[in-house]
Amino acid sequence: DTEVTQTPKHLVMGMTNKKSLKCEQHMGHRAMYWYKQKAKKPPELMFVYSYEKLSINESVPSRFSPECPNSSLLNLHLHALQPEDSALYLCASSQAVQGALSYNSPLHFGNGTRLTVT
Amino acid sequence: AQKITQTQPGMFVQEKEAVTLDCTYDTSDPSYGLFWYKQPSSGEMIFLIYQGSYDQQNATEGRYSLNFQKARKSANLVISASQLGDSAMYFCAMREPLIQNSSSGSARQLTFGSGTQLTVLP
Repeated sequence: DTEVTQTPKHLVMGMTNKKSLKCEQHMGHRAMYWYKQKAKKPPELMFVYSYEKLSINESVPSRFSPECPNSSLLNLHLHALQPEDSALYLCASSQAVQGALSYNSPLHFGNGTRLTVT
Repeated sequence: AQKITQTQPGMFVQEKEAVTLDCTYDTSDPSYGLFWYKQPSSGEMIFLIYQGSYDQQNATEGRYSLNFQKARKSANLVISASQLGDSAMYFCAMREPLIQNSSSGSARQLTFGSGTQLTVLP
C-alpha cells in the first residue's frame, strides 16, 4: 500500500471547469512535489514545496495553482485547462533536510490522478 | 544535455532469467544519488533501489541489484529471476546537491531518464 494518497484516481473536466487534485502523506516528510506525466514519457517536475513553502515552480502556466495547507497535504487547483493538459499527475514526498546530505532521500509517489480535459 | 540516459526503449526477457537495464548519467558534482523506479501500467511509481555516489558497495534489494560503475557514470539495474509481474516501465533517476533556500529549508529535484519498457515472457 502506498503511503502517499492521491484523490481522485480519475478526473474528467471541461475547459471551463475548476477542479482540485489532492495529495496526503503521513510519512513525516517536509518536501512535497507535483509531477506531470504524459503517456510513455518520464515524469516532469511542476512544483516543489519545502516546509510548506513553494521553493520550485518549473515555469508552469498559471492555470495550475498549487497549495500546501499543512505538512501532510498538497493540493493542485485546476482552472481553464486545455486538452493538452490531459496527463497523469503524480504527487510525491521526501525528507527535506538542511545541509548537503539529503541527496540520498528517495521520493515516494502516490498512485496518481489520470486527468482528461475535454 | 541529457542528465540521465536510458538507451533501451524496450526489453524482453524470459521468465526466470536475469535482465540488465542500462542507465548512464551526467553530473559534475561529486555528491549525488541514483534511483530506480518501476511503473506498472496502473501508473504508480514504485521506488526500487538507491545508490549513493560515495557508496563503495553496489546496492542490492532482494532480486534487484545495481551495477554501479562510477568512472563510466553508469548505474545499471539487474533484475534476477524475472517474474511476470516485473513487466513494467523502469525509470533511472538522479538527485543532485540541494537547492539552498535559507527561509524555508531545502528540497531536491529528481531527474528521470526516458525509461525502459520491460516485458517478461512466460
